[in-house]
Amino acid sequence: AQSVTQLGSHVSVSEGALVLLRCNYSSSVPPYLFWYVQYPNQGLQLLLKYTSAATLVKGINGFEAEFKKSETSFHLTKPSAHMSDAAEYFCAVTSPKGGNKLVFGAGTILRVKS
Amino acid sequence: KAGVTQTPRYLIKTRGQQVTLSCSPISGHRSVSWYQQTPGQGLQFLFEYFSETQRNKGNFPGRFSGRQFSNSRSEMNVSTLELGDSALYLCASSPRTSGGTDTQYFGPGTRLTVL
Repeated sequence: AQSVTQLGSHVSVSEGALVLLRCNYSSSVPPYLFWYVQYPNQGLQLLLKYTSAATLVKGINGFEAEFKKSETSFHLTKPSAHMSDAAEYFCAVTSPKGGNKLVFGAGTILRVKS
Repeated sequence: KAGVTQTPRYLIKTRGQQVTLSCSPISGHRSVSWYQQTPGQGLQFLFEYFSETQRNKGNFPGRFSGRQFSNSRSEMNVSTLELGDSALYLCASSPRTSGGTDTQYFGPGTRLTVL
C-alpha cells in the first residue's frame, strides 16, 4: 500500500521568503510523485512530477522538488513567495504500474503575508 | 485545447435520491478518473475508466458507479444519497497512451450537497 504524509496542515510565510512544504511517502515499489495546487473553488493544477528521471524536478511558477529516496521525501520549495502562491498544496503518490490511482496527502494550506 | 469540463458545477439533493455527474475529458484523452474531496477524508480515488472499461477502483460502496462512453466522456452515479456523500467530486483525464501512469489533468469539480 502507498501513503503520503504532509507535515503541517497550515504554513505561513512572508512575501519574498522561502516556501518549504514537506511531503513524505511510503511505497513498496518505486514511486511516481506529484505536487498539485488547488485555489479556492477550483480543481487541482499540476505543479510538478517525479517519474524516476532527475531527482531534482522543476515545475511551474518557480516551484521545485527534490526526490530523496533515503529520506522517502519529496519536499516542495520556492525561493521567494508571492501573494499569488496562497493556496492549498497536495502531494500525491502512485507507481509506474499503478495506473492513474493517485493517493493524496491531507494537504497544506499556504498563507503568504504581506 | 479546452480543459476538462464537469457538469453541473453545483448540485443540491436530498437523502435517498440519486445523482449523475458528467465529465468531458481533454480532447484526445482516453482515461478518466474520479475523486471525492471532503474536509474529513481529503482526496480519495473513486475509479478510473479507460476505453469504456473500469481499470481501477477505490474503496467505496457499490452505491458509487460510473461508466465511460465511446467518445471518452464519463458519468458517475451515486444512488441512495447519504449526508456523508456531500463533497466536491473531481474528474481528471489523461492520455493513457501507455499501460502505466500518466499525468492527470483535473476539472473544476462538481460540488454536491446532500440535505
